[in-house]
Amino acid sequence: SQKIEQNSEALNIQEGKTATLTCNYTNYSPAYLQWYRQDPGRGPVFLLLIRENEKEKRKERLKVTFDTTLKQSLFHITASQPADSATYLCALITGGFKTIFGAGTRLFVKA
Amino acid sequence: DVKVTQSSRYLVKRTGEKVFLECVQDMDHENMFWYRQDPGLGLRLIYFSYDVKMKEKGDIPEGYSVSREKKERFSLILESASTNQTSMYLCASSILQGATAYYYTEAFFGQGTRLTVV
Repeated sequence: SQKIEQNSEALNIQEGKTATLTCNYTNYSPAYLQWYRQDPGRGPVFLLLIRENEKEKRKERLKVTFDTTLKQSLFHITASQPADSATYLCALITGGFKTIFGAGTRLFVKA
Repeated sequence: DVKVTQSSRYLVKRTGEKVFLECVQDMDHENMFWYRQDPGLGLRLIYFSYDVKMKEKGDIPEGYSVSREKKERFSLILESASTNQTSMYLCASSILQGATAYYYTEAFFGQGTRLTVV
């Protein structure tokens, strides 16, 4: 069956460290992969998109990798700050219209 | 600034009521979507529309219908609300890109409507 998995356990890290979140998928062949941030009680906000032929994408303190062999994406936040505390969702875009979202990983950054 | 606005942040409705959730976007986007979000399940697509008067079923369309009479407005209708439709509902829009209606870039989300059916 098709699945997209993000670590359901919250990730707790210290301010200044690098946070790494994982997104694994099975039985999909996504053309794109996206990462969104969601704060409590709000809608998700787009952060980064990476295409299947790209290995890595960066935007300021954010970095995303996409390994279609491992069927995995890693999302890194370097020099993390308490303001980075939120839920992070990965989303696959397949060859059709569908965007498939993971359930998200909650990140807590302690000062 | 891009804006997707949902008509209500919180709604409480009774079982059996007909419920309308409204969404308006001001970006002239072709695509609009309705998702519901439940703990541990992620966002699940209910319906989407890639043009006025066009609609496509998502993963969980049962018990819902949609209406898109104008490009900027996409409405979700719960024909007869039930308690298992208690959820956070999120509307999103995106630009049409690519050779077909099915390729698009990032989605812009509204703030969400938390619906409770009692």
